Amino acid sequence: GAGVSQSPSNKVTEKGKDVELRCDPISGHTALYWYRQRLGQGLEFLIYFQGNSAPDKSGLPSDRFSAERTGESVSTLTIQRTQQEDSAVYLCASSPPGLAGGTGELFFGEGSRLTVL
Amino acid sequence: GENVEQHPSTLSVQEGDSAVIKCTYSDSASNYFPWYKQELGKGPQLIIDIRSNVGEKKDQRIAVTLNKTAKHFSLHITETQPEDSAVYFCAPRWTTSGTYKYIFGTGTRLKVLA
Repeated sequence: GAGVSQSPSNKVTEKGKDVELRCDPISGHTALYWYRQRLGQGLEFLIYFQGNSAPDKSGLPSDRFSAERTGESVSTLTIQRTQQEDSAVYLCASSPPGLAGGTGELFFGEGSRLTVL
Repeated sequence: GENVEQHPSTLSVQEGDSAVIKCTYSDSASNYFPWYKQELGKGPQLIIDIRSNVGEKKDQRIAVTLNKTAKHFSLHITETQPEDSAVYFCAPRWTTSGTYKYIFGTGTRLKVLA
């Protein structure tokens, strides 16, 4: 497909379990972002990858959250020892390269809905 | 860091009327100002954007105006239609050390009443 792909689309887990969320960006897009969206709320920045540079992790809410990206391909967001407040939709977006941040457009996936019981 | 405020949080208009949503930001170095539309169960999608060297941009029924001095930009939708009903987010781009961070506003839920 041509768009950003996220999996799983839905995940129900028990409190204390670890979860892994996956994002496949659009081919050739060097920038990749993770956002968290709680029900009825705005998008909360989590982490940003740009090419091979060190990621900007300033939005990660706690050390239970981590993310990896191999080169300019797939990214995984891992939440350890999940808590009920982690319940949200986790959105991934990618952006193409270019001067001054490229076109600027973020292309979003449809998100992974996480429910922690 | 960047502070982004968006008003109103909800907006109901009659079909055919206009809708205006305002976004205020704090970082004077921001240089790119997009608006996103999010439909239920989907990720946000860019609908219009403006860069800091222009004051207004229009695309059919949608327009964005920018006031860099006052640090705000607005989304204007004319001749609203039921399919315009969605949540709209502003997301000014904040540049630091060569990286690009988009800080999203809290969103405006627009309802277009038929």
